[in-house]
Amino acid sequence: GAGVSQTPSNKVTEKGKYVELRCDPISGHTALYWYRQSLGQGPEFLIYFQGTGAADDSGLPNDRFFAVRPEGSVSTLKIQRTERGDSAVYLCASSLNSGGYEQYFGPGTRLTVT
Amino acid sequence: ILNVEQSPQSLHVQEGDSTNFTCSFPSSNFYALHWYRWETAKSPEALFVMTLNGDEKKKGRISATLNTKEGYSYLYIKGSQPEDSATYLCAFITITGANNLFFGTGTRLTVIP
Repeated sequence: GAGVSQTPSNKVTEKGKYVELRCDPISGHTALYWYRQSLGQGPEFLIYFQGTGAADDSGLPNDRFFAVRPEGSVSTLKIQRTERGDSAVYLCASSLNSGGYEQYFGPGTRLTVT
Repeated sequence: ILNVEQSPQSLHVQEGDSTNFTCSFPSSNFYALHWYRWETAKSPEALFVMTLNGDEKKKGRISATLNTKEGYSYLYIKGSQPEDSATYLCAFITITGANNLFFGTGTRLTVIP
């Protein structure tokens, strides 16, 4: 079946601009996660949704970052006033439920802020 | 932020060699350990989800062991093939927050034909 998809695969934007990154999880998966991988680091947790609600947003670095999942399926990660330090690969994952289940990852969106 | 360490950072082996790498994690508040393989330009792919001390899991030529008391897991690849070339990530989940993964920085494996 279809896996997790993310669009766009690559995004280049200028410093100060607003960007939206989209994640389409596996159908039926109630849990959705966003991670960010900066160069030379492992993926770092940003936010986790259970259904439509953000159950844990403790990983969001600051208030320029926001994510929504209005219908409990597709999620959008929004970054305002982008900075060069936001350049990274943004990964989305979904799982059947929360609680340590295997997470299925998308291919990521590579964001470059110039 | 929990400290999950992987070693070595990178590894080059000849085709046919067997190899292994290490993931170290905090031994307190353990819930689960995940291993992922991430090939360039592809999605990270789950290899194993390990939960019990002493767990040993196997998938083809790849196997993993878990020691939760001392906080480490080993990943073994027997008879490495060029298609095994990838970054291998381990990720730790705590009992207090069994939702998000705390990742190590990965081991980049290159298998030379």
